[in-house]
Amino acid sequence: GDSVTQTEGLVTLTEGLPVMLNCTYQTIYSNPFLFWYVQHLNESPRLLLKSFTDNKRTEHQGFHATLHKSSSSFHLQKSSAQLSDSALYYCALSETSSGQKLVFGQGTILKVYL
Amino acid sequence: GGIITQTPKFLIGQEGQKLTLKCQQNFNHDTMYWYRQDSGKGLRLIYYSITENDLQKGDLSEGYDASREKKSSFSLTVTSAQKNEMAVFLCASSILTDNQDTQYFGPGTRLLVL
Repeated sequence: GDSVTQTEGLVTLTEGLPVMLNCTYQTIYSNPFLFWYVQHLNESPRLLLKSFTDNKRTEHQGFHATLHKSSSSFHLQKSSAQLSDSALYYCALSETSSGQKLVFGQGTILKVYL
Repeated sequence: GGIITQTPKFLIGQEGQKLTLKCQQNFNHDTMYWYRQDSGKGLRLIYYSITENDLQKGDLSEGYDASREKKSSFSLTVTSAQKNEMAVFLCASSILTDNQDTQYFGPGTRLLVL
């Protein structure tokens, strides 16, 4: 079945440094949709950004990601981390045909320090 | 705008007990979901429903029942609570946008089994 892998369970960095959270996926479908959800402490997950277009950069709230089908990746990046970015980040995959079942990665906790 | 409410917010049960969690949404969304959130394991789909009276099993359906009584509500039952079980159950709903569902999450029900 489909799967999503987030290799880092915890990423810690100093405010102002660049952020990169890794996400790779496996699917038999040629046109998957990829998502990043963010969950701040004591809140519920909310959509950060999504993409289904190969090699096209998607941006939202200072974060960006590019779907690369050749490497099955959808890494999340930000040029300069802020304290408020500290949260749990989930990468997720959906099949184009159903568009209704999301497969989530294990999640990466991002902690930003002064 | 809309809102998803989950009741109860906290649920403490006994081993072997049957426990029911409720979810309501006023988005008028067609599809609703139940996920289980465990630290380090991401969000795992238990059940989802694409319309009233429809039920679809997710990867984690064993040990659970669900009921979509009407479009706005989706209930989840833990058929026999496991001792020392501790997890957060998240309800979500979605509507088709840009040919791809975006899921909106409720605040969660935190379960502890003594």
